[in-house]
Amino acid sequence: GQNIDQPTEMTATEGAIVQINCTYQTSGFNGLFWYQQHAGEAPTFLSYNVLDGLEEKGRFSSFLSRSKGYSYLLLKELQMKDSASYLCAVRDSNYQLIWGAGTKLIIKP
Amino acid sequence: DAMVIQNPRYQVTQFGKPVTLSCSQTLNHNVMYWYQQKSSQAPKLLFHYYDKDFNNEADTPDNFQSRRPNTSFCFLDIRSPGLGDAAMYLCATSAGTGDFHEQYFGPGTRLTVT
Repeated sequence: GQNIDQPTEMTATEGAIVQINCTYQTSGFNGLFWYQQHAGEAPTFLSYNVLDGLEEKGRFSSFLSRSKGYSYLLLKELQMKDSASYLCAVRDSNYQLIWGAGTKLIIKP
Repeated sequence: DAMVIQNPRYQVTQFGKPVTLSCSQTLNHNVMYWYQQKSSQAPKLLFHYYDKDFNNEADTPDNFQSRRPNTSFCFLDIRSPGLGDAAMYLCATSAGTGDFHEQYFGPGTRLTVT
């Protein structure tokens, strides 16, 4: 079967750096997405990786290793508003998105 | 602003009473999706339309139906809601399904079944 694994919950301090890991086992690979979802709201797009390496976008970076079935989302200079769930999603060989359950990130002052 | 709109934001229905959730988009995207998301779980794809082509996920219950009368609108019909159908229902759109096409989500409709 297809599977996306992420930690359920992480806690970090305002101003610090946090790395949220995602490992996947899917039938084929056509890109990996990270979305942010605040409680009770819809997911919003953060980043997309299809080739190995690091994609940087402001305070957020996302890394992909296709050979290891692994990605991480790196958040720098954490702000209280970054408290949210972060969902990893992989597009499989049928171009369907397989979603992880998300990592709930709690930011403490 | 181009966007995905869902109405209503909150819907309460009785056990077994049919309910319809609506989604509209001003992005002119070809693809529209319906997801069900329960608390602390991954969004679960129910079905999607590529233009008028309907694609049903294999494990979507028959109780869930969808209509897409035109590019802009898509509806989710739950024929006989059960208590287990209480969830957030998310509508999303994308310009296509290949290469880099992110999905744009509406704000969701939270369904309560009493």
